Amino acid sequence: EVQLVESGGGLVQPGGSLRLSCAASGFTFNSYWMDWVRQAPGKGLMWVSRINSDGSSTSFADSVKGRFTISRDNAKNTLYLQMNSLRAEDTAVYYCASGRVVGAPDYWGQGTLVTVSS
Amino acid sequence: EIVLTQSPATLSLSPGERATLSCRASQSVSSYLVWYQQKPGQAPRLLIYDTSNRATGIPARFSGSGSGTDFTLTISSLEPEDFAVYYCQQRSNWPLTFGGGTKVEIK
Repeated sequence: EVQLVESGGGLVQPGGSLRLSCAASGFTFNSYWMDWVRQAPGKGLMWVSRINSDGSSTSFADSVKGRFTISRDNAKNTLYLQMNSLRAEDTAVYYCASGRVVGAPDYWGQGTLVTVSS
Repeated sequence: EIVLTQSPATLSLSPGERATLSCRASQSVSSYLVWYQQKPGQAPRLLIYDTSNRATGIPARFSGSGSGTDFTLTISSLEPEDFAVYYCQQRSNWPLTFGGGTKVEIK
C-alpha cells in the first residue's frame, strides 16, 4: 500500500523557518518525481515545488522562490521542504504528492498544517 | 502562468442527475488537463489525467473531454459520494496551476 506521511508542520512566527518531511513507502521512491502542494484554509490548491527522481532538478512557484528549498533523500525514502522567511500568506495545509504521471499525482499524503502568525 | 477558470462555482443537483463541469484555460494546454475530487478534510483524489484518462479505481461514470483551452468533466449519474469540490489542473507548463474549483452540492 502506498503511503505518504507528512510531518513538521506547526505554528511559527513571521520570518521564521520550518522544515517539512514526507516519508514515503509502498512504491519505488527513487523512480518518482515528488511535489509539494498547499491549500490555504478554505481556499483552493496551489503547486509549491517539485523535484525530479534523482534530485538534480527542482522548480518553485514564484511566491516561494528564494525562500523555500526542496530536497530528497532516496536512501531514506523521504522528501523535504525547507521553508525560510515565512509569511502569513504561507499559512496552509501542505501536501506531498506523487504518481505515475508527472504532474498528475495519484498518491497524496494527509497534509500537515503550517500556521504563520505572531 | 496559465490561468484556469472553472464554471459554475457551484452546481446544485440531485442524486442520479448528470453533472457537467467546465474548465477553461487562458492559453492552450494541449491535452494536459487533469481533474481532482476533494472532500472536506481530505487530500485531493485524482480522477482524470490528460483530458480523458481515468485514474486507477475511478468509476466509469466519470469522464473527461476537450482539448486546447476548453475542457469538461462529466459525471453521468451522481452518486451520494460524488458531492464534493472538483478542481481542474494543467500539467502543460510550469508553474502547474489549478482552477478555483466547482462545488457539487445536493439540491
